[in-house]
Amino acid sequence: QKEVEQDPGPLSVPEGAIVSLNCTYSNSAFQYFMWYRQYSRKGPELLMYTYSSGNKEDGRFTAQVDKSSKYISLFIRDSQPSDSATYLCAMSVRTNAGKSTFGDGTTLTVKP
Amino acid sequence: DTEVTQTPKHLVMGMTNKKSLKCEQHMGHRAMYWYKQKAKKPPELMFVYSYEKLSINESVPSRFSPECPNSSLLNLHLHALQPEDSALYLCASSQSLAVLSYEQYFGPGTRLTVT
Repeated sequence: QKEVEQDPGPLSVPEGAIVSLNCTYSNSAFQYFMWYRQYSRKGPELLMYTYSSGNKEDGRFTAQVDKSSKYISLFIRDSQPSDSATYLCAMSVRTNAGKSTFGDGTTLTVKP
Repeated sequence: DTEVTQTPKHLVMGMTNKKSLKCEQHMGHRAMYWYKQKAKKPPELMFVYSYEKLSINESVPSRFSPECPNSSLLNLHLHALQPEDSALYLCASSQSLAVLSYEQYFGPGTRLTVT
């Protein structure tokens, strides 16, 4: 079983929809949670990061962490065609700095 | 400026060639990384440098040789590669391995094709 599970999709939504992207994990030592966006043939771009349970909001993006359920989410409000990309979750443990465990990524298409 | 730059963007090399990939950042970050990414897969960690010293080597074959000449530059020297080494090679940086800051900033990558 993988340490981080992420539904690869693909996920297709109409413009303006609320998108929910999710990852589950098995390692309770994970304390740092990141979301990256990767456009086709480009490097990943850090979207959001959080060190604790709860919600963190940045514009149209909200990252949510539930450590008790070992579940993290990224919500995108008012989705735009420019949000079409692959979204990767990543997690790290405090004692293993430098190593992030990535999910396989979810491919999202937002249709105009 | 949260930019990591990588050169070249594309590279085609034969199995007997020697080439180098270059990465640069000017964010004052002291941790730098090399990743390999195959199509539709997440990035796979290869090396981590911390304060210009190699900190992590994920059992990468010796045909890949990293180098960190200074705090802003990271190179990956390539020699006698195999076709299965064709991939997107990503460089990333983060503030430090000592500071509780795990978010990494990635460059655009070098798309490598080995013929």
